This record gives sequence, C-alpha cells and structure tokens, in this order.
Amino acid sequence: EVQLVESGGGLVQPGGSLRLSCAASGFSINQYWMIWVRQAPGKGLEWVANIKPDGSDKYHVDSVKGRFTISRDNAKNTQFLQMNSLRAEDMAVYYCVGDRGDGTMYWGQGILVTVSS
Amino acid sequence: QSVLTQPPSVSAAPGQKVTISCSGSSSNIGNNYVSWYQHLPGTAPRLIIHDSNKRPSGIPDRFSGSKSGTSATLGIAGLQTGDEADYYCGAWDSRLSAYVFGTGTKVTVL
Repeated sequence: EVQLVESGGGLVQPGGSLRLSCAASGFSINQYWMIWVRQAPGKGLEWVANIKPDGSDKYHVDSVKGRFTISRDNAKNTQFLQMNSLRAEDMAVYYCVGDRGDGTMYWGQGILVTVSS
Repeated sequence: QSVLTQPPSVSAAPGQKVTISCSGSSSNIGNNYVSWYQHLPGTAPRLIIHDSNKRPSGIPDRFSGSKSGTSATLGIAGLQTGDEADYYCGAWDSRLSAYVFGTGTKVTVL
C-alpha cells in the first residue's frame, strides 16, 4: 500500500522552528518530485516548495523564502521541510506530495502546524 | 493572492454537467500544463486531470479537461452527490518559478 506519512507538526510560538518529515512507503521517491502544499484555515491550497528527484533543484514560494527549506533523503525514502521564523500566517495543514510527472501523484493526509503564543 | 482565477462556486442537479473555468496568463497556463485537483473536506486532495486534459488511472471519464490560450476548463458530467467538493486548478508559473493554485471552486449538487 502506498503511503505518505507526515510528522513533526504541532504548536509553536511565533518566531519558532519546526521540522516536518514525510516518510514514504509502498513506492520509491527517487523518481518523484517531492512537494509541500499547505492549506490555512478557511483558505485554499497553497504550494509551498518542491524538490527535484535527485535533489539538485528546489523551489520555494516567495512568502517562505529564506525561512523554509525543503530537502530529501532518497536512501531513507523521506522528505523534509525545515521551517524557521514561523509566523501566524504559516499556520496551516501541510500536505506532503509525491509527483512522478505522468499522472501518478500521491498525497499524505496532512499535518497541522499551529503558530500561536 | 492567487494568479489563477476560478469562480467561487458552481452548482447543478444530479446527472447534469458543470464546467469550471481557470483563468491565468502566458507565464502559467499559456505556456505550461494545467492540473486539476478534487478536495473533499477532511481528506487529502486528489489529482483528477494532468497535462491539461489527461485523466490519471482510476479517474472516471465523467471528468474532462481542456485548455485554450491562457484559460483552462474542467468539466464534470453526470454529476453525482459524491462530486461535492472543492476543485482547484494548478500550473507552473515560469515567471515566478513557482507552482500556483487557482482560487478554488466549490461544487454543489442540488
């Protein structure tokens, strides 16, 4: 069974840090672009970042540049999102996504990140 | 603020067809493929159209996609109560070097 399981979310104060992990099972991520997408309460989907299968290229949405960093460890079949200097507007459900580019796309169930004092 | 614009909502009776528009620009839809996603509350989003008009395995042919210029359209034929969800278009934006989602459209089955 294919699964993407996010972990590392939770409550953090403004200015704090969290590291999200996403462990894949049932498939190998080394052929997939890995992506983070988020949805803030009452809002639509927002793409956060993606990283090439071999990790050589990565892109981040402007609102998180300099604060968030996407990375991956293909040997561990896992991707990560390091989130620093968190703000209230970063509060959202974060989804881990794997995209092979040919219509094969897997989504995790999402993990909640709450930024509040 | 999203660079892809969708109508906030569409509705129709069971069995009817709805279409959802997605308006962008030359830096995204005009020169890149469009994808469509279905998102039911409390669940993970699901890819239903990729490469503007292709259906992933397991997606019924009631769902269709098309693209013309800087706009794209999702069609849902034979509407079912299980189709009630939020639908988003998405495309890579070459100017932003970022992926952009549409504003989202809520489909209601009357």
